[in-house]
Amino acid sequence: DTEVTQTPKHLVMGMTNKKSLKCEQHMGHRAMYWYKQKAKKPPELMFVYSYEKLSINESVPSRFSPECPNSSLLNLHLHALQPEDSALYLCASSQADLLAGGNNEQFFGPGTRLTVL
Amino acid sequence: GNSVTQMEGPVTLSEEAFLTINCTYTATGYPSLFWYVQYPGEGLQLLLKATKADDKGSNKGFEATYRKETTSFHLEKGSVQVSDSAVYFCALPPFQGAQKLVFGQGTRLTINP
Repeated sequence: DTEVTQTPKHLVMGMTNKKSLKCEQHMGHRAMYWYKQKAKKPPELMFVYSYEKLSINESVPSRFSPECPNSSLLNLHLHALQPEDSALYLCASSQADLLAGGNNEQFFGPGTRLTVL
Repeated sequence: GNSVTQMEGPVTLSEEAFLTINCTYTATGYPSLFWYVQYPGEGLQLLLKATKADDKGSNKGFEATYRKETTSFHLEKGSVQVSDSAVYFCALPPFQGAQKLVFGQGTRLTINP
């Protein structure tokens, strides 16, 4: 299994809602990532988990709250989002974390397209 | 810091045309280099990679050669198809203490029948 899965595929939420994005991989990877991608732009790194511990937070607002319940799962909890948070949210995983460097390929999921009204 | 400069798009070609998308990088030393592809409505997929100078990565008819002299990793395909329409990202993985996968700005490719 060389797949990263994400649910839901699409999500529409109001600014007062609480929702969660889910990501799962069964490749035995020990690093997992959340990215945000706006239209016509490359992905921007939000968070990195390495061995189930948060290792990088790219100064993301607290209305985004990541969680790594186990080595296969990664969640992103959303609360009180703004319309400008509308974007494609991508999850990725890799065998080792970013600092391992070298030939450390990241596998991306299909993304969740989020619309905040 | 590490950076990637990628040819600006969008690029529109006819089917069976020759494709080149330019990519140059700035880094100390010799990192690995990647090309990712993003088809409409999907996430990113690794298209090809090269791990050392003079390596040639290839996949699905695409090729890219890691040229240390010109710090380049240009993507080429001899005969494009409509199904190649996508956004292509050149990328530099974390290297020598850097913590991020560094992407180019992306090149949107449209192939017309």
